[in-house]
Amino acid sequence: DTEVTQTPKHLVMGMTNKKSLKCEQHMGHRAMYWYKQKAKKPPELMFVYSYEKLSINESVPSRFSPECPNSSLLNLHLHALQPEDSALYLCASSQDGSGYEQYFGPGTRLTVT
Amino acid sequence: GENVEQHPSTLSVQEGDSAVIKCTYSDSASNYFPWYKQELGKGPQLIIDIRSNVGEKKDQRIAVTLNKTAKHFSLHITETQPEDSAVYFCAASILGATDSWGKLQFGAGTQVVVTP
Repeated sequence: DTEVTQTPKHLVMGMTNKKSLKCEQHMGHRAMYWYKQKAKKPPELMFVYSYEKLSINESVPSRFSPECPNSSLLNLHLHALQPEDSALYLCASSQDGSGYEQYFGPGTRLTVT
Repeated sequence: GENVEQHPSTLSVQEGDSAVIKCTYSDSASNYFPWYKQELGKGPQLIIDIRSNVGEKKDQRIAVTLNKTAKHFSLHITETQPEDSAVYFCAASILGATDSWGKLQFGAGTQVVVTP
């Protein structure tokens, strides 16, 4: 089973709202990732958690706040977003932080109005 | 940093024909090269990958070849079917590098259209 689940599938939020994206995997993976993907572009790495510790922050604005409550869950807290933050947000996981065999979830389509 | 170039950007093939997508990378330290297939409205799906100690890998109708000297790798799809229509991304990474934990550098993507 190589399933990564993400909720919600779609999210529309205003620029003053606070919302959270959730990601879950039950493959025993110890690394989890957040990516942002704009239309017709490849995924862009935002954050990497390895063994529940933040390993990489790709200079992401502070209006995006990641959280890894345990090895199976990954959250992305959103606050005061801009319309240009509208995108598909993808979660991925891999066995460890080396990056080998990353499995992606279906994504959350975020629209900021 | 690593830079991955992918060609072509679009590829139209007749059902049953073969499709080839090529990628080049810049960092000779890269040692892991996965390929992802992304269908409309879905997340990327890992379809095949290759490590730098291997020159070729096959899985049914798909194969990947790697030329470390020239720093390029290719995806080959044989006997294409309409369900192969999707965007394909190549990527490169350095496994085990503690300063770039798990970072995949993606190519720009290839839109493959298989016509019946």
